[in-house]
This record gives sequence, structure tokens and C-alpha cells, in this order.
Amino acid sequence: DAGVTQSPTHLIKTRGQQVTLRCSPKSGHDTVSWYQQALGQGPQFIFQYYEEEERQRGNFPDRFSGHQFPNYSSELNVNALLLGDSALYLCASSLNLEENIQYFGAGTRLSVL
Amino acid sequence: DQQVKQNSPSLSVQEGRISILNCDYTNSMFDYFLWYKKYPAEGPTFLISISSIKDKNEDGRFTVFLNKSAKHLSLHIVPSQPGDSAVYFCAASGLGGSQGNLIFGKGTKLSVKP
Repeated sequence: DAGVTQSPTHLIKTRGQQVTLRCSPKSGHDTVSWYQQALGQGPQFIFQYYEEEERQRGNFPDRFSGHQFPNYSSELNVNALLLGDSALYLCASSLNLEENIQYFGAGTRLSVL
Repeated sequence: DQQVKQNSPSLSVQEGRISILNCDYTNSMFDYFLWYKKYPAEGPTFLISISSIKDKNEDGRFTVFLNKSAKHLSLHIVPSQPGDSAVYFCAASGLGGSQGNLIFGKGTKLSVKP
């Protein structure tokens, strides 16, 4: 049973560039959430997708956008990268929209130079 | 302002003894609480959870206690093993009826010494 998978594992970009991160949820899960984890901090909620729509959003600017595909996989896009966007980006999936327990992937480490 | 606080950045325990990790929260509207364990270069792994209608939940060596009046929860690991060495995150959900938005503490690094 495949868990949550994310790609790529590491990424280096320069300021002003755009980046796309990808996530495949755990088998049987239809809800995907994205989190940003800065060094020494806990993960911070970016947004959640269900039925290909953004259902909830945390306190992140519009430069952060996402998408969910019919197969439940998801993408996180960040435009106009800033140095402060350097972080570990985690994808989590849950069985459905009502489920509290989320299962996380290993993350994508983004470095913005 | 942090809504979920883990005030101890680190904890060191001898193998075989009890590890107690603490977590405080500020918003009484949280209705579900979770503990995650994180090893370096891996994502957080779900450990155990508790609903606000309960005060205790047990799973093997792991027990979570919830004190709603004090807005405090704790994770007990008995007996502690060297493989338990990791960063432990407390998380809460349920604000505004939403389950998707987990709010995390900053984590406590547990070291279990042989």
C-alpha cells in the first residue's frame, strides 16, 4: 500500500522564479492538504483540496496556488519566489474531508537563492 | 500568536523509563488533537490522537491525556526505547468545524539514551 509520495525531493530556485511541487495521496484517500515547514518550526497549513476544489486556505499570499486532478493527485505552485519561501513543503492526505487524521509525505526541500 | 505550544524544545530520557511530552493550547474550540513523530529527512508520522470528548486514549506504549479545563495534553511513552528518539509534534484541529487545518506546535526533540 503506497503512502503519500512527493516529487521532487529537493529543488533549488532563484528569487523571482516559479516552482511546481507534486503529490500523490495515499491509496484510497481523496483529500490533500499542503503545509510549509520552516526550520525549527512546526508545519503551517497552506490549503486543502477536495473534489478538485480548494476547500480551506491558511494565511498565505496568492502567490501560492494549487490544483487537484481527477485521480486525487495535487500540485502546489509558488510564483515570484522570495528567499523566505525556502522551507520543507509537506503534502498530507486524508480519507475524506471529515477525517481528522492526515498522513504525510517525506516532503520537498525548496531552497531559494 | 501561537495557538498550540510545546514549551520544551528538548527532552532526554533513559531507555526503559517514561517519556512525558507536553502541549498547551489556547483556543477552546479545538475538538481533536494529534501527535506526530518526525525522523530527519522523513515526513511526520501519525502516532496517536484524541477527541475532545475523551480524556485518555491508549495505543500500546503510547497514551495521550487531555485536560480540557487546563487546555493541556500530554503524550506518555512507556517504556521508552532508543528508536523513539525523534521530534514529536502536537497538533490540533476543528476550528470553525474544519478538519483539514491542522495547527502544529514547534515540536519537542526526544532523545532516549541506551
